[in-house]
Amino acid sequence: DAGVIQSPRHEVTEMGQEVTLRCKPISGHNSLFWYRQTMMRGLELLIYFNNNVPIDDSGMPEDRFSAKMPNASFSTLKIQPSEPRDSAVYFCASSLSPSGNQPQHFGDGTRLSIL
Amino acid sequence: GESVGLHLPTLSVQEGDNSIINCAYSNSASDYFIWYKQESGKGPQFIIDIRSNMDKRQGQRVTVLLNKTVKHLSLQIAATQPGDSAVYFCAENTGTASKLTFGTGTRLQVTL
Repeated sequence: DAGVIQSPRHEVTEMGQEVTLRCKPISGHNSLFWYRQTMMRGLELLIYFNNNVPIDDSGMPEDRFSAKMPNASFSTLKIQPSEPRDSAVYFCASSLSPSGNQPQHFGDGTRLSIL
Repeated sequence: GESVGLHLPTLSVQEGDNSIINCAYSNSASDYFIWYKQESGKGPQFIIDIRSNMDKRQGQRVTVLLNKTVKHLSLQIAATQPGDSAVYFCAENTGTASKLTFGTGTRLQVTL
């Protein structure tokens, strides 16, 4: 069975450029989560969606970050303009239920480097 | 200047021995808990979960123990193998939403 699929796996770009990270959740899952992982701060929740609707974006660092989920099988996280401090590994996860009693399943992440 | 990152506690275990990884959680209202394993270059992988109406749950070679009185969670791995080397995270959820709060993680090193 296909798990959560993220692309690209690695992204290196110069500061100021727009970065778009993509995620395909597990089919049938109706909750989707975007996380950022750094050595300094560990794993941080940025935003999550239930049934394609953003529920909580309180973890989004600032207005340069935006996320969309146009349909049940696709989500994007966009950074515009990007800055060196955005360098991190970004994970997408999905779960079967919004009730909170189902495990989240993670993709293998996008390693982002902003020069 | 020198950057200061999260200091991950490390547990070193000999192959074949049992491992116990501990986690203290913060919210007494949390009612669902998960253990994840993260290998280098990969995303966190679900290992086992437990609900607050239980105090023990067993999987294949793994057991999770929950002590709600002291807000403590542990993961026991039987007959630890080199493939178990990874960072292990506990996560908690209060049940009213889908948000998980993750611990800082423990690095498990399996020596031959």
